Amino acid sequence: AQRVTQVQPTGSSQWGEEVTLDCSYETSEYFYRIFWYRQLFSGEMVFLIYQPSFDTQNQRSGRYSVVFQKSFKSISLVISASQPEDSGTYFCALSELKGTNTGKLTFGDGTVLTVKP
Amino acid sequence: AQTIHQWPVAEIKAVGSPLSLGCTIKGKSSPNLYWYWQATGGTLQQLFYSITVGQVESVVQLNLSASRPKDDQFILSTEKLLLSHSGFYLCAWSPYWGEYAEQFFGPGTRLTVL
Repeated sequence: AQRVTQVQPTGSSQWGEEVTLDCSYETSEYFYRIFWYRQLFSGEMVFLIYQPSFDTQNQRSGRYSVVFQKSFKSISLVISASQPEDSGTYFCALSELKGTNTGKLTFGDGTVLTVKP
Repeated sequence: AQTIHQWPVAEIKAVGSPLSLGCTIKGKSSPNLYWYWQATGGTLQQLFYSITVGQVESVVQLNLSASRPKDDQFILSTEKLLLSHSGFYLCAWSPYWGEYAEQFFGPGTRLTVL
């Protein structure tokens, strides 16, 4: 069964600091992807980055990168040079590749990040 | 560029009344479409998905139904609202089928059931 856990309900940083948000997951599939989304205060979900299970290289996109520890089934989102505009709720989500892929995303509970000016 | 529009932006409805929420995707033919529900302060839960016109699959039973009358349109509805239907409804699309592609979300509809 799929399960995603984000143990940090909240996080904070100062402007310019690097922020790390943690996520762990459960899956019995070999092929899967982990996605990171940020939910704005309006409710809109913004896609940030994803990590494929078969790629040993940590993915990077702009100021976002991930630290993927496949053997521990954990992944962290790293935001470099955080800004107040980065404040919001960050969700980790798991999508497994199965024979009949439904595109199901299983989300964690989210981490509310506050970046102070 | 693809755009996704949801309507209405917000609704306040009475228990037992009907509901219809809509979602339209522009700029992408034959997208895969999804409905999600989020309780206040909670996580997102996938409700339905659709890979083609007229075909909708249910993921979670919440006394809701969905339809896809056009390639670019996805409708979420119920004939009788419950208090537990309150929350935030998000429509999403992804460009691929058979792969576990990223999904792109609309702005959402906030529903309050009284």
